[in-house]
Amino acid sequence: AQSVTQPDIHITVSEGASLELRCNYSYGATPYLFWYVQSPGQGLQLLLKYFSGDTLVQGIKGFEAEFKRSQSSFNLRKPSVHWSDAAEYFCAVGASNDYKLSFGAGTTVTVRA
Amino acid sequence: NAGVTQTPKFQVLKTGQSMTLQCAQDMNHEYMSWYRQDPGMGLRLIHYSVGAGITDQGEVPNGYNVSRSTTEDFPLRLLSAAPSQTSVYFCASSYEQANYGYTFGSGTRLTVV
Repeated sequence: AQSVTQPDIHITVSEGASLELRCNYSYGATPYLFWYVQSPGQGLQLLLKYFSGDTLVQGIKGFEAEFKRSQSSFNLRKPSVHWSDAAEYFCAVGASNDYKLSFGAGTTVTVRA
Repeated sequence: NAGVTQTPKFQVLKTGQSMTLQCAQDMNHEYMSWYRQDPGMGLRLIHYSVGAGITDQGEVPNGYNVSRSTTEDFPLRLLSAAPSQTSVYFCASSYEQANYGYTFGSGTRLTVV
């Protein structure tokens, strides 16, 4: 079964600074990988996804993520954060022959002025 | 196009009461699922369905029932509410397989007293 670890529970970053959120997955074959964002009191919104091809994936809101098979990682990055990026971020992994996604515990991002 | 609609948004139950959380989608998605979200634990799968008439248990199914009589609707029933079921519940749907990612509802915040 697949699983996801997000090592950082909480990250604080200054507005305009860069952001990197870590995600490590466990899965035997090529995984489907996702990043979701949840603003306070809202549902989850898909930021980006990877399932084949170019290992650098571009998403919405200026985010990108890089799939590194050798490190079993799918880290999320943004070059310059905005106050509106304050939210909780979830990494998720799925299998090619299954519908289910397994989610990490989430990383809360606080943006300070 | 409404996406995934969950009702109610908030609910307070007394221990032992039963209730149904509603979920409807208008995207003709075959796959639907229910997750609960608890602090520090991410999203945990309760039940899922791969099509009308087909349901299966997820990671934390105890105390919950589901049915899928139509493609559009996937209600979650709490048989006898317990304080441990205090949580935020999300319904999600997807096309045929996980590589498309999920569309989430806005959630139901349930408190059991």
